[in-house]
Amino acid sequence: SQQGEEDPQALSIQEGENATMNCSYKTSINNLQWYRQNSGRGLVHLILIRSNEREKHSGRLRVTLDTSKKSSSLLITASRAADTASYFCATAQSGYSTLTFGKGTMLLVSP
Amino acid sequence: DAGITQSPRHKVTETGTPVTLRCHQTENHRYMYWYRQDPGHGLRLIHYSYGVKDTDKGEVSDGYSVSRSKTEDFLLTLESATSSQTSVYFCAISEWGTGGTYEQYFGPGTRLTVT
Repeated sequence: SQQGEEDPQALSIQEGENATMNCSYKTSINNLQWYRQNSGRGLVHLILIRSNEREKHSGRLRVTLDTSKKSSSLLITASRAADTASYFCATAQSGYSTLTFGKGTMLLVSP
Repeated sequence: DAGITQSPRHKVTETGTPVTLRCHQTENHRYMYWYRQDPGHGLRLIHYSYGVKDTDKGEVSDGYSVSRSKTEDFLLTLESATSSQTSVYFCAISEWGTGGTYEQYFGPGTRLTVT
């Protein structure tokens, strides 16, 4: 079964707006990761946040993690048309070398 | 996709035929993974490897087998393909990161159609 579940399933915004995607998970984790997938391509690692971290930034990306609520959010600020893609969260449990992916959020950024 | 190639990139096969997909890496990473991606299901782990000749099952392993005889190659075999195995297959690699982080790096995918 899926560990992470993203919300919303689809998001449509205009260029320049911010995009927020959420991820909920079920069991305790070592870290949570976000990936992007452009249409027809493989996934690309964006950012990782460890279970003892609450917030992390990378360029226009901001990730938060609330382990008490078992949830994470990915914020993309000042979105561009090139940000159009599917975004997946993936969770890693301590002692395991595998990740469990959610079903993804499809983001459409219109010019 | 740098450092990871998958072959073939596209394949159409008939029900009941055997199919082997190949993943090749030049990064010397220890861990390799096979996923399938289907609409409505996201990415699901089929099998993974944690070293040469060391493999384990994932969430959806039925109907699939794997082999890893060299660090750089990880093969996924469908012994007798079925229409339910029509999917896009991704290979990924990772290495032990600080504190067991295991960021994964993905290949370009193989689109398999079973008719």
